[in-house]
Amino acid sequence: RKEVEQDPGPFNVPEGATVAFNCTYSNSASQSFFWYRQDCRKEPKLLMSVYSSGNEDGRFTAQLNRASQYISLLIRDSKLSDSATYLCVVNILWSNTGKLIFGQGTTLQVKP
Amino acid sequence: EPEVTQTPSHQVTQMGQEVILHCVPISNHLYFYWYRQILGQKVEFLVSFYNNEISEKSEIFDDQFSVERPDGSNFTLKIRSTKLEDSAMYFCASRPGTGTEKLFFGSGTQLSVL
Repeated sequence: RKEVEQDPGPFNVPEGATVAFNCTYSNSASQSFFWYRQDCRKEPKLLMSVYSSGNEDGRFTAQLNRASQYISLLIRDSKLSDSATYLCVVNILWSNTGKLIFGQGTTLQVKP
Repeated sequence: EPEVTQTPSHQVTQMGQEVILHCVPISNHLYFYWYRQILGQKVEFLVSFYNNEISEKSEIFDDQFSVERPDGSNFTLKIRSTKLEDSAMYFCASRPGTGTEKLFFGSGTQLSVL
């Protein structure tokens, strides 16, 4: 089983749509959770951390379900500029180096 | 915002040649990393470096790979004898060490092995 699993997509949505991405992780000792954004051939950039209580940053809402080992990202009112690959990322508790485990990413294409 | 700087942005080499990828992490950061991403695949951890030594490495990081922090500012990744399958985007990253788990990534070096 993959350590971090995502639906690769692509998700093709019109501007203004709401879109949700899901992610599952296999290691129950995972400590920290993140969503990164990656544009084509560019470096990953932190979008937001994910907390157990759920957290929101503008149009973006992240949720974590530790019992199900499941993370989600909701994007409301999609913009053309949201087109990118969204990476689900976890930090394993026993890795005290801060090593991040990346999912393969979900590609979002927002169309006019 | 401070940046992690990587050079060169593109590197083309012949199979069997040695390459050195260069990174200048953010100056007050304590943890340093190399990740790679083969085209169309996920970002993969290679190695972490702290207190002037490797703190963790992946199965990918075999004897052909080495890292150095020679002068307190640069952080290099050396591949001794490149293989075709080493072709990838290599990302350097750093983080302060305390207070945040956020990694700051460089813009990457695209390595092409011919």
